[in-house]
Amino acid sequence: KNQVEQSPQSLIILEGKNCTLQCNYTVSPFSNLRWYKQDTGRGPVSLTIMTFSENTKSNGRYTATLDADTKQSSLHITASQLSDSASYICVVRYGGATNKLIFGTGTLLAVQP
Amino acid sequence: SQTIHQWPATLVQPVGSPLSLECTVEGTSNPNLYWYRQAAGRGLQLLFYSVGIGQISSEVPQNLSASRPQDRQFILSSKKLLLSDSGFYLCAWSVSGRDNEQFFGPGTRLTVL
Repeated sequence: KNQVEQSPQSLIILEGKNCTLQCNYTVSPFSNLRWYKQDTGRGPVSLTIMTFSENTKSNGRYTATLDADTKQSSLHITASQLSDSASYICVVRYGGATNKLIFGTGTLLAVQP
Repeated sequence: SQTIHQWPATLVQPVGSPLSLECTVEGTSNPNLYWYRQAAGRGLQLLFYSVGIGQISSEVPQNLSASRPQDRQFILSSKKLLLSDSGFYLCAWSVSGRDNEQFFGPGTRLTVL
C-alpha cells in the first residue's frame, strides 16, 4: 500500500534551535517528494522538491534530504524563528500511471520564544 | 503572476443544507484543478480533479460533486450536507504535466452542525 508517514506528530522547540522532521514512504514507483509548509488556516506552500537522484536540497534555512534506498526523507530547519511555527507536510508523487500525490499527515511545529 | 482564490473563507451550515464552494485561478490558462479535504489530524484527501472544462474525475465516493463551468473556475457542491462533511477544503491548480507543483488556495473552513 502506498503510504507516507511522518514523525514526530508534533514538536515544540525554542526560538533559535534546530530541528529535524522525518518522512518515511512506501510509495512505488517513486516520482518525486515535496515538503510543504502549511500555516494554520492557510493552504500549503512548497518548500522543496526532490527527485530520485537528489540527496540534499536547501531553501534558505530549510534543508531536505532524500535516501531513495531506505525511502526516507528529512527536513532540517536551522536557527528556527517564530514564523516557522506551522504544519510541515511530506508529499510523494506516485510514479505510476495515475500520477497521484500521496500526502503525509504532517508534523505540527511550534517555535516558542 | 498566477493567483488562486477561494470563497467563502469560513462557512457554518446545518445538516441537510446545500453547499457551494468556489475556486478561481488567475494568470494561467488550461490549468489542472483539484479539490482536497483536510480533516483534523489527517492528511489531505483528493476529492476531485479536472484537466479541462466539463472534465471531472472523482477520487472517492461521497456526498459531494464538482463542476468546471469555465476554464479557470472549479466548484464544489453538495445537495445535502452531512456532519462528516466538516473540514478544511482546499482548491489547487497546476500546469498540465506529470510532475508539476500544485499551488494551493487559502482554503475554506466548513463546519456542519
